[in-house]
Amino acid sequence: QVQLVESGGGLVKPGGSLRLSCAASGFTFSDYYLSWIRQAPGKGLEWVSYISSSGSNIFYADAVKGRFTISRDNANNSLYLQINSLRAEDTAVYYCARGRAVAPRYFDYWGQGILVTVSS
Amino acid sequence: SYVLTQPPSVSVAPGQTARITCGGNNIGSKSVHWYQQKPGQAPVLVVYDDSDRPSGIPERFSGSNSGNTATLTISRVEAGDEADYYCHVWESGSDHVVFGGGTKLTVL
Repeated sequence: QVQLVESGGGLVKPGGSLRLSCAASGFTFSDYYLSWIRQAPGKGLEWVSYISSSGSNIFYADAVKGRFTISRDNANNSLYLQINSLRAEDTAVYYCARGRAVAPRYFDYWGQGILVTVSS
Repeated sequence: SYVLTQPPSVSVAPGQTARITCGGNNIGSKSVHWYQQKPGQAPVLVVYDDSDRPSGIPERFSGSNSGNTATLTISRVEAGDEADYYCHVWESGSDHVVFGGGTKLTVL
């Protein structure tokens, strides 16, 4: 069955960096768009970034552009999110989610999420 | 940027029908998707492409989309349907993903 498992979260000081990982299994990883979506405590879902199946198309939400970098390793079925210059407002549960083959469209599988806390 | 507007809350008695709206400029021209999220859990896709259901989602969940409003309809509401519901579109013009603010469904 399809599984997405995030890791790499934790407590980090403002201005710090973190690299989130998402290990995928149960499907042909290289066929699908993937996305990072976050949810601040008690708030709604916020799209962060997505990457095409080959990695050639990448888009970011305005709130994270220039600070976050999404990447993928199709050989190892892994998705990554490098987060730099962290701010308190980046505190959230970060989910990786599977899109579709030719466009992000909708997200049919989600990981369980990983908490990132930015605090001094 | 494109904005999706949902009511913060909807309340319904068990066995009744819940309707959760998602407003957006000419949203009827876009494909709308809906997610259910229960406390402490990841979101689950319940309707995609306006009105299709993933396998395993009960027929009680249905969707429609026209004009400036998309609607998620939950028939014969059960206590287990109590959750937050989010609408979502992919803005192909800007290549951005947009979520509505979410609606908390309370089963009375």
